[in-house]
Amino acid sequence: DGGITQSPKYLFRKEGQNVTLSCEQNLNHDAMYWYRQDPGQGLRLIYYSQIVNDFQKGDIAEGYSVSREKKESFPLTVTSAQKNPTAFYLCASSRGDDTDTQYFGPGTRLTVL
Amino acid sequence: GQNIDQPTEMTATEGAIVQINCTYQTSGFNGLFWYQQHAGEAPTFLSYNVLDGLEEKGRFSSFLSRSKGYSYLLLKELQMKDSASYLCAVRAYNNNDMRFGAGTRLTVKP
Repeated sequence: DGGITQSPKYLFRKEGQNVTLSCEQNLNHDAMYWYRQDPGQGLRLIYYSQIVNDFQKGDIAEGYSVSREKKESFPLTVTSAQKNPTAFYLCASSRGDDTDTQYFGPGTRLTVL
Repeated sequence: GQNIDQPTEMTATEGAIVQINCTYQTSGFNGLFWYQQHAGEAPTFLSYNVLDGLEEKGRFSSFLSRSKGYSYLLLKELQMKDSASYLCAVRAYNNNDMRFGAGTRLTVKP
């Protein structure tokens, strides 16, 4: 089955710790995205990658980092510099960048204690 | 600025029809998307409009008027499983410039 997977579903971390969220896709999509979803707000773009070994900052990149060493994988690290890390994180992918639909993974709910 | 506005909550009865509106103001326009999202789950793609008019897909239809910056999602023959949030999103230029509304939480009652 083709799709996007994110792990884990729920993640708890202590304040001051870095944490890495996994995102894998087997759709052969070139483009991948990370969004953050907070109650009462629309999804906000953190980082995106149009091709392997290249990524760009989105609207709210501060306190986050990513890598894109493989086409299938786009992990997101939430660093201790992120002031309000508790949120629902969604990964998405699309075939291309300008006309294709984005498809989403199941999300990771991160809670920082 | 760029705004996507949609009602926060709506309630409807099983078997009825409901229309969820979305108005937008964006710097560019390259398509409008509707997604369904059940609580704690991934948004799933419902529809895509880039030209004016109505797109029908089974029980769901989506309408777009670019001149008015307006879209609606029409759900017919409502079922209990349609209780979810519905997200309106506008792609201004390309996929890294998508703007999402906060979502409309629809509750379907028996």
